[in-house]
Amino acid sequence: KAGVTQTPRYLIKTRGQQVTLSCSPISGHRSVSWYQQTPGQGLQFLFEYFSETQRNKGNFPGRFSGRQFSNSRSEMNVSTLELGDSALYLCASSLAISRFNYGYTFGSGTRLTVV
Amino acid sequence: AQSVTQLGSHVSVSEGALVLLRCNYSSSVPPYLFWYVQYPNQGLQLLLKYTSAATLVKGINGFEAEFKKSETSFHLTKPSAHMSDAAEYFCAVSPSGNTGKLIFGQGTTLQVKP
Repeated sequence: KAGVTQTPRYLIKTRGQQVTLSCSPISGHRSVSWYQQTPGQGLQFLFEYFSETQRNKGNFPGRFSGRQFSNSRSEMNVSTLELGDSALYLCASSLAISRFNYGYTFGSGTRLTVV
Repeated sequence: AQSVTQLGSHVSVSEGALVLLRCNYSSSVPPYLFWYVQYPNQGLQLLLKYTSAATLVKGINGFEAEFKKSETSFHLTKPSAHMSDAAEYFCAVSPSGNTGKLIFGQGTTLQVKP
């Protein structure tokens, strides 16, 4: 059974550019959440998508956006990149039938470096 | 607002010694609690989860955690540390009724000395 797949694994972008990260959840999982991990702020929730709808959002500026497709794959986009956006971006998927029984499975992340 | 506090950003134990990683949470409603482990350059792996069933939860790799409502704690333990346990550990809470969102503690780096 394939796990959560995030692509690409590594990215280097220049300030002001935009970037799109991809996440393919475990087959059958309908909920996809995104997190940003940095040494200073730790793990912070960005947003969650369920059935192509954003169901939950963290405290991030509007430059951070996402979407989910009908096959549950999700993308997140960051526009006008800043140096502070350098981080490991993690995606997690869940069955969402009963989240408390199944928990969340994380991908290996995309390491974004903004120069 | 719910929050998680992990006491001790670094814990060092000898191989074979008891591992104890501390986690306290604040929640106005019954929480759902998780412990995750992260190895270098990898994502998070679920160790165990508390979902209001048994208060003593057993997880993978010999880890277990006990939910103590009176102390608002969910400490992670392992009787005997292995070198392979060296990693960063995160405690997290899922706000009741708020799906898809986990609130994480700051993490504890476990060092295992030979």
